Amino acid sequence: IAGITQAPTSQILAAGRRMTLRCTQDMRHNAMYWYRQDLGLGLRLIHYSNTAGTTGKGEVPDGYSVSRANTDDFPLTLASAVPSQTSVYFCASKLQGSTDTQYFGPGTRLTVL
Amino acid sequence: TQLLEQSPQFLSIQEGENLTVYCNSSSVFSSLQWYRQEPGEGPVLLVTVVTGGEVKKLKRLTFQFGDARKDSSLHITAAQPGDTGLYLCAGDYTGNQFYFGTGTSLTVIP
Repeated sequence: IAGITQAPTSQILAAGRRMTLRCTQDMRHNAMYWYRQDLGLGLRLIHYSNTAGTTGKGEVPDGYSVSRANTDDFPLTLASAVPSQTSVYFCASKLQGSTDTQYFGPGTRLTVL
Repeated sequence: TQLLEQSPQFLSIQEGENLTVYCNSSSVFSSLQWYRQEPGEGPVLLVTVVTGGEVKKLKRLTFQFGDARKDSSLHITAAQPGDTGLYLCAGDYTGNQFYFGTGTSLTVIP
């Protein structure tokens, strides 16, 4: 069982380019999340999905979009990357309840120049 | 606006010392979680507390949820170098969405 995988591991991107970060989980978790982690700010929620077919906005959704076509995959798209989106991005999933364990992927380090 | 504030932001102690990390908010949370993160990896859940006043112990780690469910603390007894890492608290008050604190970076010197 792989748990949660993210791709790519790291990426350098020119400003204005479109980029999709991939996230796949094999635990059949209902809920999935995208966070960004910046020094001194902890993790901030970008978007979430409580179940396949539904998505919601988190704390910092602007400039990002997500889709949840099936249970396993939750891609995050930057339509037109800007330097302020340079960050480490983490995908996470959990079964359903608020007290269930949230499992994190290994992260994607994105640099926008 | 940061919903959860952690203190201290950085902590460097000698092996064998005790320490406490704090997580404070003006919001009431239905549950609160503590995570530990090592460099280059995602956070790993340590504990979840749900009841005001609840105390949970995990070996040398003691977690407490405030009576009003607005704050929490993590106490480590006899710290070891393996405890080094970034400690994050995360609160859920909207239902199924977690808001993370700013983190406490702990270094335990052998």
